[in-house]
Amino acid sequence: EAGVAQSPRYKIIEKRQSVAFWCNPISGHATLYWYQQILGQGPKLLIQFQNNGVVDDSQLPKDRFSAERLKGVDSTLKIQPAKLEDSAVYLCASSRTQGGVTNYGYTFGSGTRLTVV
Amino acid sequence: AQKVTQAQTEISVVEKEDVTLDCVYETRDTTYYLFWYKQPPSGELVFLIRRNSFDEQNEISGRYSWNFQKSTSSFNFTITASQVVDSAVYFCALSATFNNAGNMLTFGGGTRLMVKP
Repeated sequence: EAGVAQSPRYKIIEKRQSVAFWCNPISGHATLYWYQQILGQGPKLLIQFQNNGVVDDSQLPKDRFSAERLKGVDSTLKIQPAKLEDSAVYLCASSRTQGGVTNYGYTFGSGTRLTVV
Repeated sequence: AQKVTQAQTEISVVEKEDVTLDCVYETRDTTYYLFWYKQPPSGELVFLIRRNSFDEQNEISGRYSWNFQKSTSSFNFTITASQVVDSAVYFCALSATFNNAGNMLTFGGGTRLMVKP
């Protein structure tokens, strides 16, 4: 099966500019996650979708970050305006349900490396 | 709250040595899943193993083995006869299901393994 697709692969922007990332999950995966991985740290969840509904966005800085998953498939994550501390890799992951377990298998995309200067 | 601790930030070994990466976790839930991921320099997260809280059997896969001990809340990972290609950052992660929405992954800080020839 095709993997989780993310674009762009790299992005460099100036602070206070806006940026958007795109994710296409594995076909049939109902759950989609956006993680932020700052250099030298483990990934941290920003937002989780189940189909097109938000399940958890408690760690999303909502004053500048937004995300949507229209039609329960592709998702976009936006930052506006960007700050220097937003420099990180943004990982998208999707998971399927099997045997009633929603987190049966996670698959991660290659990520978007954002540099804010 | 969930927490994963990887106390070893960096380990350096010489090829063919055995190495163990430690992982300690905290969760209030009785049903949870533990994972190990490998992140090579290219940046993608590669799934290595998933273990549920009811299965304390140790697992071996080639040169990799995992020791799950609920009594000490640990899920350690051993690489036998390490190779240069094992050089990467390894993440331990936890996913609990206590509220059915809590199936996000909580990652540890990662352990950077360097295998020298």
